[in-house]
Amino acid sequence: AQTVTQSQPEMSVQEAETVTLSCTYDTSESDYYLFWYKQPPSRQMILVIRQEAYKQQNATENRFSVNFQKAAKSFSLKISDSQLGDAAMYFCAYKRAGAGGTSYGKLTFGQGTILTVHP
Amino acid sequence: NAGVTQTPKFQVLKTGQSMTLQCAQDMNHNSMYWYRQDPGMGLRLIYYSASEGTTDKGEVPNGYNVSRLNKREFSLRLESAAPSQTSVYFCASREPNSPLHFGNGTRLTVT
Repeated sequence: AQTVTQSQPEMSVQEAETVTLSCTYDTSESDYYLFWYKQPPSRQMILVIRQEAYKQQNATENRFSVNFQKAAKSFSLKISDSQLGDAAMYFCAYKRAGAGGTSYGKLTFGQGTILTVHP
Repeated sequence: NAGVTQTPKFQVLKTGQSMTLQCAQDMNHNSMYWYRQDPGMGLRLIYYSASEGTTDKGEVPNGYNVSRLNKREFSLRLESAAPSQTSVYFCASREPNSPLHFGNGTRLTVT
């Protein structure tokens, strides 16, 4: 079974600085997707960024980028120029690609990392 | 642009009571999911429905039942609530190989 581990229960960063959130995963699959979701205090789950395992290039979305190390099974999220609105819980998630059968569409989530942004 | 709508937003139950959490999506997605979120555990899949008319167990299905009423609606039922079911529940939907769209969650407390 796939597992996703976020070893940092809490992180903090000063406004305008950079922070990196860690995520490791365990899988025997070669093709899969990885995601970072943000959950602000409003409880809404918001997709931040997505990475396809077959792509070597790291995904980037504005101030958010990932460092995807497939061999090491590591998928960290870097937030540059942190803003107060970035304060939230962040979840790393894994999904097997080419979904079908009993694994159809199921995402496995990490435990979450609470990010605090100090002004 | 409603997306995924969950009701209620908050609920308090006594042990042994029953209730149904409602979920509806207006994006014409085939797949729908129910997750529970607990501190230090992330989100865990309770049940999912790959398409209208089908449902399957996820990681933590015990104590729950689901109904895929139609393509839009996917409800989660607690027949006899237990304190261990105190959690935040999320409904989500998606198309194949596309990200999940989440509802805003239901905070359930069982006393």
